[in-house]
Amino acid sequence: RKEVEQDPGPFNVPEGATVAFNCTYSNSASQSFFWYRQDCRKEPKLLMSVYSSGNEDGRFTAQLNRASQYISLLIRDSKLSDSATYLCVVNVNNAGNMLTFGGGTRLMVKP
Amino acid sequence: NAGVTQTPKFQVLKTGQSMTLQCAQDMNHNSMYWYRQDPGMGLRLIYYSASEGTTDKGEVPNGYNVSRLNKREFSLRLESAAPSQTSVYFCASSSRQFEAFFGQGTRLTVV
Repeated sequence: RKEVEQDPGPFNVPEGATVAFNCTYSNSASQSFFWYRQDCRKEPKLLMSVYSSGNEDGRFTAQLNRASQYISLLIRDSKLSDSATYLCVVNVNNAGNMLTFGGGTRLMVKP
Repeated sequence: NAGVTQTPKFQVLKTGQSMTLQCAQDMNHNSMYWYRQDPGMGLRLIYYSASEGTTDKGEVPNGYNVSRLNKREFSLRLESAAPSQTSVYFCASSSRQFEAFFGQGTRLTVV
């Protein structure tokens, strides 16, 4: 079993739709969680950190469920520019500072 | 605002040749990473360095060596390139909160 798993998609949604992605992690001692965005042939860029209490940044909301070991990303009012691959990232070893990436979920927003 | 700088951006090697990928960050981060990204495989950690003077193996270290030259620089060396090492390589550094920032990537082809 992979340490961090995501549905690869693609998720095809119309503009204005609400879409949600989940990511599961296997190590219960994981401490830090993030969502990154990666555009085609570009480097990943930090979208948002995921806090225990959940957090919101404009149209984006991230949640953490430690009991079930998953994090989620909700995108409201999808824009064409939201089309990208969304990567879930987990810090699985605080002492070693190692970051483990999920395989990514591809989102395509259609006009 | 250089952030993380990787060189070269593109490289073609013949099987058996060696090369070093260079990475430098100007954000005073302690942790640095090398990942490779292959189609359908997501980002896989090759090596990481939690601080100057330390390096640790990641998920796929075979065929690679690294050097943490100083706090700013973390290089990745392929001693004898193989076609299986054809990939996109990303260097990253992270803050104390494990938020990672990536270089623009090196597209390596081994023929």
